[in-house]
Amino acid sequence: QVQLVQSGAEVKKPGASVKVSCKASGYTFTTYYMHWLRQAPGQGLEWVGFINPSDDSTRYTQKLQGRVTMTRDTSTSTVYIEVSSLTSEDTAIYYCARGPATGAFDIWGQGTMVTVSS
Amino acid sequence: DIVMTQSPDSLAVSLGERATINCKSSQTVLSSSNNKNYLAWYQQKPGQPPKLLVYWASTRESGVPDRFSGSGSGTDFTLTINSLQAEDVAVYYCQQFYNTPSYTFGQGTKLEIK
Repeated sequence: QVQLVQSGAEVKKPGASVKVSCKASGYTFTTYYMHWLRQAPGQGLEWVGFINPSDDSTRYTQKLQGRVTMTRDTSTSTVYIEVSSLTSEDTAIYYCARGPATGAFDIWGQGTMVTVSS
Repeated sequence: DIVMTQSPDSLAVSLGERATINCKSSQTVLSSSNNKNYLAWYQQKPGQPPKLLVYWASTRESGVPDRFSGSGSGTDFTLTINSLQAEDVAVYYCQQFYNTPSYTFGQGTKLEIK
């Protein structure tokens, strides 16, 4: 079946970087964009960016521009998000979600908790 | 960015009754080129990722029970849950995908059993 499996929880100190993975299975990896979203504790959903696995193109939210990088490995059908210069405001559950460039997100990963704390 | 505003923030409905959640966008999400509303609804239960319920404002995702229905056009949308079941307790979000790549969500509506 179609699924997205994310890496485990992370605890980082302020100023550090974190890299989270999302492995896709059950469909052709290059035919859908992969989006990343995050949800701070008790808060709503925030779109972070997307990567097109077909051509490696990316778009990021302006809020995180310069601190976020998305990459993909087509040999393992895995996408990655790296966030640098972490602050407590980056503490959130990070989700990967499959979707077209213009469309709804139909499959979601289970989420990865990233905690930034000194 | 298009701002999505949901109402109410929370509601309590009796089992078997109807729940109605509203979503208003700060500008239209109706495309004049294909006459589609670029609006989706998601359900999020505690400790779980969101689940897609409805897209194009009124198209139910495969496997979603038919008691869930979406309606509306332009800037005003509604998610209706008929015959509320206990498993429908969740937070519901609307999302626009018209103004990409800025995909924005409503603040969420928490649905509980009365």
